[in-house]
Amino acid sequence: SQTIHQWPATLVQPVGSPLSLECTVEGTSNPNLYWYRQAAGRGLQLLFYSVGIGQISSEVPQNLSASRPQDRQFILSSKKLLLSDSGFYLCAWSGLGTDTQYFGPGTRLTVL
Amino acid sequence: DQQVKQNSPSLSVQEGRISILNCDYTNSMFDYFLWYKKYPAEGPTFLISISSIKDKNEDGRFTVFLNKSAKHLSLHIVPSQPGDSAVYFCAASAHRGGKLIFGQGTELSVKP
Repeated sequence: SQTIHQWPATLVQPVGSPLSLECTVEGTSNPNLYWYRQAAGRGLQLLFYSVGIGQISSEVPQNLSASRPQDRQFILSSKKLLLSDSGFYLCAWSGLGTDTQYFGPGTRLTVL
Repeated sequence: DQQVKQNSPSLSVQEGRISILNCDYTNSMFDYFLWYKKYPAEGPTFLISISSIKDKNEDGRFTVFLNKSAKHLSLHIVPSQPGDSAVYFCAASAHRGGKLIFGQGTELSVKP
């Protein structure tokens, strides 16, 4: 069966520090991969999605970047965090040509 | 422009009664709709979906209804249980394997 992992589970970082969040998927090949952010009390905002290694689409202009160095690995990064980057970050995957996305457990990021 | 809207941020229901969560959309190209359930500090879990060629899909206590002419879908939970208390998101897709557009969520509280 397929599983999706995210780490770390929680992170507290100072403003201006770098960020790296990792997501890996097991049990499937060539997944579509997604990064979402849920700000406090709000819905899910799609940040990036990827249909293959090295293929990243950005949905909103922002302080973050994403990379997909391997088929089942998706990384969310920032060179310098802003206070507004605080939130709950979710990684998700879907099979090729399918709509249902399956989410990881999320990372709670607090920027102070 | 919010293409998927959940106009009720919260809903409170008595245990054993029916919970009805509503979702409206504006994009007539959407042809696949999903409902997710989310507990605090966890990733959303997929509940049920419906294709635009159907107007109803049932899975145990959960039924999704789709009214294409009104661009409206709803999730019925019968009977409601305290464990159903969570935030429910509806989502829509315009083509297979494409991005999901999420609503803002409705927080359901089922009282014992």
